[in-house]
Amino acid sequence: LAKTTQPISMDSYEGQEVNITCSHNNIATNDYITWYQQFPSQGPRFIIQGYKTKVTNEVASLFIPADRKSSTLSLPRVSLSDTAVYYCLVLPRGSTGFQKLVFGTGTRLLVSP
Amino acid sequence: DAGVIQSPRHEVTEMGQEVTLRCKPISGHNSLFWYRQTMMRGLELLIYFNNNVPIDDSGMPEDRFSAKMPNASFSTLKIQPSEPRDSAVYFCASSLARRVAVGPPQHFGDGTRLSIL
Repeated sequence: LAKTTQPISMDSYEGQEVNITCSHNNIATNDYITWYQQFPSQGPRFIIQGYKTKVTNEVASLFIPADRKSSTLSLPRVSLSDTAVYYCLVLPRGSTGFQKLVFGTGTRLLVSP
Repeated sequence: DAGVIQSPRHEVTEMGQEVTLRCKPISGHNSLFWYRQTMMRGLELLIYFNNNVPIDDSGMPEDRFSAKMPNASFSTLKIQPSEPRDSAVYFCASSLARRVAVGPPQHFGDGTRLSIL
């Protein structure tokens, strides 16, 4: 599995856009980039997944440059409730479909009023 | 929709006692995962099942830990005997795995906070 590196923590204010970058220099051709979010006292929650260029859903956007050695999770106009730990994972496309998730330390985002 | 349901939410017991954690996956999901989270080690995968069969238990710390999945709607993680270093939050997750798929999202329960005194 490709190793990922992301900032340990970030601070932001309500209403701002937050961009969390993850480095994955050893990403393989068949690897996908996946982000999970974990609120205090809850289990992680899947946010978004992508392979290249840009993916957007109702929660976030994921930007992946052409070389795919990094990716950026973008949270538009954050609120206090976006305070959480965000995990970047690189997952290989598998023939069996179920994936062994390896979580790193994540990025602890603190949103202040 | 009911998500992954874990019980109990909190468990406090004395060292040496048997502890049983329970999980009900999302109906229709065919893969189930047990994780453990601590401040020191983060979130670690202990074991996962596919179609009720254990596929990889390499993350199970030692023989004191065992997991079963007698049917598609129920799984247990048992620690016997328990030790203070087993104190952690234990999460269960489930997903619907398909062939030639990439990382189907895993849906996590809210965890069991276990304290061994």
